[in-house]
This record gives sequence, C-alpha cells and structure tokens, in this order.
Amino acid sequence: GENVEQHPSTLSVQEGDSAVIKCTYSDSASNYFPWYKQELGKRPQLIIDIRSNVGEKKDQRIAVTLNKTAKHFSLHITETQPEDSAVYFCAARVNDYKLSFGAGTTVTVRA
Amino acid sequence: ETGVTQTPRHLVMGMTNKKSLKCEQHLGHNAMYWYKQSAKKPLELMFVYSLEERVENNSVPSRFSPECPNSSHLFLHLHTLQPEDSALYLCASSQNFRDEQYFGPGTRLTVT
Repeated sequence: GENVEQHPSTLSVQEGDSAVIKCTYSDSASNYFPWYKQELGKRPQLIIDIRSNVGEKKDQRIAVTLNKTAKHFSLHITETQPEDSAVYFCAARVNDYKLSFGAGTTVTVRA
Repeated sequence: ETGVTQTPRHLVMGMTNKKSLKCEQHLGHNAMYWYKQSAKKPLELMFVYSLEERVENNSVPSRFSPECPNSSHLFLHLHTLQPEDSALYLCASSQNFRDEQYFGPGTRLTVT
C-alpha cells in the first residue's frame, strides 16, 4: 500500500520566518495531496490541496509544491504567525477513497 | 448544529465494557469514515462507508464494529478493548470519495 513519510517531526521557527514541511510518497498512481492543520485539542482541517496535474498552488501565505517524478510534495508557510502553531499532516490519495497520512509535523512559532 | 459532530468527546472504559461512539454529519455528504489517531503516528483509516454500505475494513480487529444506519449517522461499537486501543477516534465525511474530508472533533478514548 501507499506509504507517506513526513519530515521534520517538529519544527520551531521565529515569527515572520518561513516554515517548510516535506512529504514523500511511494505509489506513483497517487493523484491528490491534501494538507491538514490540527490545532491543540481541535479537529484536523484542510488548509490546501494539490492534484497531480498541477506543480504548485498558492493561497495567501501558504503554498504547496509537487514533484511527481521524485514523488515528493512540500508545504511552505511564509511570514509565520503565532496562530500558525499546530500539527500539520500531509496525505496522499491512494485510490478512490483512501487517504494515507504522514505522521505529522508539530510547528511552533516563537514570538 | 453544523458540520460533523461526535459524542462522547471523552470516554474511559474498562476492558470488559461495551460502549459506542456516535458520529453525525449535517453536510448532506454521502461518504463517512472512522480514523484512529495515536500519538506520533499517522492517522489510520479504519472504516469507510458510502451511502450506508461499507467500502473498506482496513484490517481492523473485530472488537471494533461499525454501523451506518443512514447517510448522516455512523457508529463505532466497542467491546473487550485493549489498553493499546486508547487513542483519539475521528469521524469524517465527504460529499463523495474524491472530495474534501471534513473531520469531527474526535472522541478521546482511554481503556483501563
């Protein structure tokens, strides 16, 4: 089955700096890659996603890039703010309904 | 109530107890999911339902038994659980399989 590796497991950044989280996947047939943000004690929420026919997608301070050849995709957060502190999960859709998730990255933004 | 709701939010049960987790979605979605979230591990898909029919049973032990009486409700019946089953159990729904999954707040389960 699909295996999604996520790095780093923890990330501490100074407010205003950028944060980058990287994920790799094993199944070349995967075609959908969402990113979820989970604040402490709250539910995971989709923040951005990308499909395999696109190389990059941006939404304000958040961007995702996809390299299908290398089978990796990354989340970029610019001008980080304290409210960006959370656990971020990447995922890859293996088949019509199954999402395989990474283990998560705990991001801490230092004021 | 909007979105995806789950009850109870917290549950402590002994290994010999029987309990049920409830999920309800108010989004008119056709697909519902159960996930297990353990510390420092990826979310694990347990069950998938589409229009009340089970699509996936991801090698989950029989001590977990799902039930989907209609497209808005999903239950997870628990019996004779083990301490390692302690985790956050998340329910999610989506309009169809290819659409965004919306998560509930989860049930924090502790098995003693």
